[in-house]
Amino acid sequence: DMKVTQMPRYLIKRMGENVLLECGQDMSHETMYWYRQDPGLGLQLIYISYDVDSNSEGDIPKGYRVSRKKREHFSLILDSAKTNQTSVYFCASSLSGSNSGNTLYFGEGSRLIVV
Amino acid sequence: GDKVKQSPSALSLQEGTNSALRCNFSIAATTVQWFLQNPRGSLINLFYLVPGTKENGRLKSAFDSKESYSTLHIRDAQLEDSGTYFCAAEAPSSFSKLVFGQGTSLSVVP
Repeated sequence: DMKVTQMPRYLIKRMGENVLLECGQDMSHETMYWYRQDPGLGLQLIYISYDVDSNSEGDIPKGYRVSRKKREHFSLILDSAKTNQTSVYFCASSLSGSNSGNTLYFGEGSRLIVV
Repeated sequence: GDKVKQSPSALSLQEGTNSALRCNFSIAATTVQWFLQNPRGSLINLFYLVPGTKENGRLKSAFDSKESYSTLHIRDAQLEDSGTYFCAAEAPSSFSKLVFGQGTSLSVVP
């Protein structure tokens, strides 16, 4: 069963604390993504990873970093969380980075509140 | 400006009726994907399109790369079709970085 799993699903953090959002997929997909979703703004790409240790900035990378040490696992890290990072974060994966068959599969989302 | 613009932004449909959602692109899109975000928040992939059309049950989607738009037709709308529909486009040399539209919020009512 093809699945993208995100942990934790809900998280409340204080401003200045570190945040680790984890994502796993069981489909051996090469490419993985982190998006954030805010009301009225749709989905914005934070980072994309094309394979292990092959990461690239998306449209809004500031304040975030990522880690991909295994193909099936992609982490999003917030060092010193800010209140404007309160959002719903989605991880996604796709088979390859090429134009063909690049269907995205999304996780269930991680709701982060920074107070 | 918006690279991927969806219309309408919101829509209410009577159960059993038909409608069409649209995406216009200001980028040279080569592929398009349509997603449904259901009321629980899950994002479900509906279609992956190169230029042409695809059909799946009551849903049909078309992508015209020359005219830079894509449509999603819903036939015989059901209550479970409610949610927010997103289109996303990929451009040449974008290295798989999809650009999402703002979404169309669809409410199907009895």
